[in-house]
Amino acid sequence: GESVGLHLPTLSVQEGDNSIINCAYSNSASDYFIWYKQESGKGPQFIIDIRSNMDKRQGQRVTVLLNKTVKHLSLQIAATQPGDSAVYLCAENRNTGFQKLVFGTGTRLLVSP
Amino acid sequence: DGGITQSPKYLFRKEGQNVTLSCEQNLNHDAMYWYRQDPGQGLRLIYYSQIVNDFQKGDIAEGYSVSREKKESFPLTVTSAQKNPTAFYLCASTPATNEKLFFGSGTQLSVL
Repeated sequence: GESVGLHLPTLSVQEGDNSIINCAYSNSASDYFIWYKQESGKGPQFIIDIRSNMDKRQGQRVTVLLNKTVKHLSLQIAATQPGDSAVYLCAENRNTGFQKLVFGTGTRLLVSP
Repeated sequence: DGGITQSPKYLFRKEGQNVTLSCEQNLNHDAMYWYRQDPGQGLRLIYYSQIVNDFQKGDIAEGYSVSREKKESFPLTVTSAQKNPTAFYLCASTPATNEKLFFGSGTQLSVL
């Protein structure tokens, strides 16, 4: 079936390390991708997005990489801090004529001081 | 402050009861959405609305109903037909297609 990142893995890192969170998407026609950060009991917060005509986009301490050949999206967080601990959700827009984001289950990031 | 306000934060439903979750936005966004989130699962789309007085079913609309009488408001009713309503419900909006969604803080619905 259609899916974005079915599993909920956990990534544990030390404060100051760089973190890489991965996401596999299934629809080659998807043209827009977003990363969200979700803390427990709260709504997702936008981190960064990328469109399919780009391979890389950088924000403050974050970089998103898009590999359309293998349908893979990654989020890199530089100098990870304890406040970065959360579940990170990737989402793809299936380009169905109307915005319809499909979300993965997410990756839990645990940052130890 | 501009944003999306969901209320209540916590809601309890008795068997056979309908409950309504509120979602209000002052971002002047045309499109609004309702998602359901279960533990360890991704967000699943319940209903969405592109414009006032129009809404469409998402992937899991059975047992839910919505209305969009005002641009700012998109309430979700969880009816007694929804047999497994316990979940975290998220409302979102966006100004246009292929733009990020802005989310509310969510409502945790539980069954008594």
